Amino acid sequence: QVQLQESGPGLVKPSQTLSLTCTVSGASISSGDYSWSWIRQPPGKGLEWIGDIYNSGSTYYNPPLKSRASISVDTSKNQFSLRLRSVTAADTAMYYCVRHLYYDSGGLYRGFDYWGQGTRVTVSS
Amino acid sequence: EVVLTQSPGTLSLSPGERATLSCNTSQSVSSSYLGWYLQRPGQAPRLLMFGASSRATGIPDRFSGSVSGRDFFLTISRLEPEDFAVYYCHQYSDSRSTFGQGTKVEIK
Repeated sequence: QVQLQESGPGLVKPSQTLSLTCTVSGASISSGDYSWSWIRQPPGKGLEWIGDIYNSGSTYYNPPLKSRASISVDTSKNQFSLRLRSVTAADTAMYYCVRHLYYDSGGLYRGFDYWGQGTRVTVSS
Repeated sequence: EVVLTQSPGTLSLSPGERATLSCNTSQSVSSSYLGWYLQRPGQAPRLLMFGASSRATGIPDRFSGSVSGRDFFLTISRLEPEDFAVYYCHQYSDSRSTFGQGTKVEIK
């Protein structure tokens, strides 16, 4: 059973850097069939894709966040991480780490098939 | 960027009724890369449909998906109590993802 678990501080001061880690179990983060994503959800609002990292090391980001976001992988720990610089109150949200399956056993794109439970991050002084 | 517009914003129905949710794309999107997600209160979203019309693992057959041009539809044939939630459509193209703003299905 694939499981993802987010960890990191729940409170970040404005202008500082938000750092979150996702620990993956039940799947190898090195597999070529999926990428690893961060998605966030501000309180009472919808879902916002932040970015993906592929096993090749390639990363893709939502254009509005591209200049501040950075996703990396630690294969030795089967973890991936998000850093978001220069945060403001607008970055207050539930942050989810997610597996993005883009090539299943039948060669089909599946989408975001496993989600962490989410971690709430508040940006406030 | 592909913009997804979901309608209606809120759907008020009774258990046992049929629900039809719409997702319009601002430009052509391959059906292969259009999916739907369900989010119940206090829970993480869950993959519901992929490839516009294929049910994800464990999703009952009262859920179905269809497409007409740039309009994608999610139909719930008979609403069960656990179906009252928020539904999001999602598309993936050019290595980027976007979500619709969501449709809330609430009990009338």
